[in-house]
Amino acid sequence: ETGVTQTPRHLVMGMTNKKSLKCEQHLGHNAMYWYKQSAKKPLELMFVYNFKEQTENNSVPSRFSPECPNSSHLFLHLHTLQPEDSALYLCASSVRDRSTYEQYFGPGTRLTVT
Amino acid sequence: QKEVEQNSGPLSVPEGAIASLNCTYSDRGSQSFFWYRQYSGKSPELIMFIYSNGDKEDGRFTAQLNKASQYVSLLIRDSQPSDSATYLCAVNIEYSGGGADGLTFGKGTHLIIQP
Repeated sequence: ETGVTQTPRHLVMGMTNKKSLKCEQHLGHNAMYWYKQSAKKPLELMFVYNFKEQTENNSVPSRFSPECPNSSHLFLHLHTLQPEDSALYLCASSVRDRSTYEQYFGPGTRLTVT
Repeated sequence: QKEVEQNSGPLSVPEGAIASLNCTYSDRGSQSFFWYRQYSGKSPELIMFIYSNGDKEDGRFTAQLNKASQYVSLLIRDSQPSDSATYLCAVNIEYSGGGADGLTFGKGTHLIIQP
């Protein structure tokens, strides 16, 4: 374990459902990230939060809605997803410092949209 | 569009030999470079990072960076069957305005260590 936890680890949802993914980091970091990993594609950055403020939305559809209530917790709210949104969703955290950029990943949530 | 390129493999290496993994990147402004190891069904695990030109060694792993050639590599000495995994190369993204530091990833190289 890297100090970043994610729940649930597996999620199956219909296209009309609303669900949320949760991420918590225990590393004292102050930046958190959501990435998407689909089959045959590179890891894709979705959202970045620095000091609880969203600083980047990497052209992600509005059916994905992030929330960062504090520097230790990050959520990804999901609604009216499409089957092509099925993927592994990974949370990562890092220290927000221009001299270091190392990001540590949680175990991921395997999402299946039916 | 910032890109990171890796040979997807599979790269097959005999046990005990040196495995050499390569990566090129398109953005000359990139400053930080990372190697992650990902086992099937697991999340990426950070194994090496390098910020300056040259070599950086950590145990059996050596990262090499050549910014002029926009090339970064990972050498694994005395390869073990447990090193069999997909190795992801990642490069930092510096957004204008001093904002976030996301990473751009390559598709990864599948490494197989043959006993």
